[in-house]
Amino acid sequence: GQSLEQPSEVTAVEGAIVQINCTYQTSGFYGLSWYQQHDGGAPTFLSYNALDGLEETGRFSSFLSRSDSYGYLLLQELQMKDSASYFCAVRGARDDKIIFGKGTRLHILP
Amino acid sequence: DADVTQTPRNRITKTGKRIMLECSQTKGHDRMYWYRQDPGLGLRLIYYSFDVKDINKGEISDGYSVSRQAQAKFSLSLESAIPNQTALYFCATSKPFSGRGTDTQYFGPGTRLTVL
Repeated sequence: GQSLEQPSEVTAVEGAIVQINCTYQTSGFYGLSWYQQHDGGAPTFLSYNALDGLEETGRFSSFLSRSDSYGYLLLQELQMKDSASYFCAVRGARDDKIIFGKGTRLHILP
Repeated sequence: DADVTQTPRNRITKTGKRIMLECSQTKGHDRMYWYRQDPGLGLRLIYYSFDVKDINKGEISDGYSVSRQAQAKFSLSLESAIPNQTALYFCATSKPFSGRGTDTQYFGPGTRLTVL
């Protein structure tokens, strides 16, 4: 089956850089997506990697390596408002089913 | 105005009752999805629909059914609710994805369902 593994929690300091990893066991998927969810809110799209390498969007970057079955989300210049849960997700190329990781709760210390 | 709306936002019901959760969208997207979210388990796909006549089971469809009444409306039903269906339910939409560009889903605000 398909599965995506993420750390359950990560803690970082305001202004610092943090990396949230996502390792997966799945064959045949289009690309790796990342979503952010604040407490009480809905998930919102952050980033997508169709190809191996780094995608940058402002303070957020995302990376994919298909050969290593691994991706990560990099958040720079952390702000208190970045305290949220972050989910990686893939869409299967064969059945278009979307699988999410269980999410990483990011705690930011002042 | 919200592009993806869900009704109700909160619902408390009893075991054995039939419940319908509704989702409407104004984004003009063909694809719609239903997910449930439980603490520590992330989002799990229940059903997804690529158009009015194309409905597919997701990861956890047992105990649920859906209806795609129109391009803009996708309803989730619990025929006989049970307590372990207590969860946060999200509807989402997306454009058709062919492997090019960005694969983005747009989520509604969620429905918190409690089954007693």
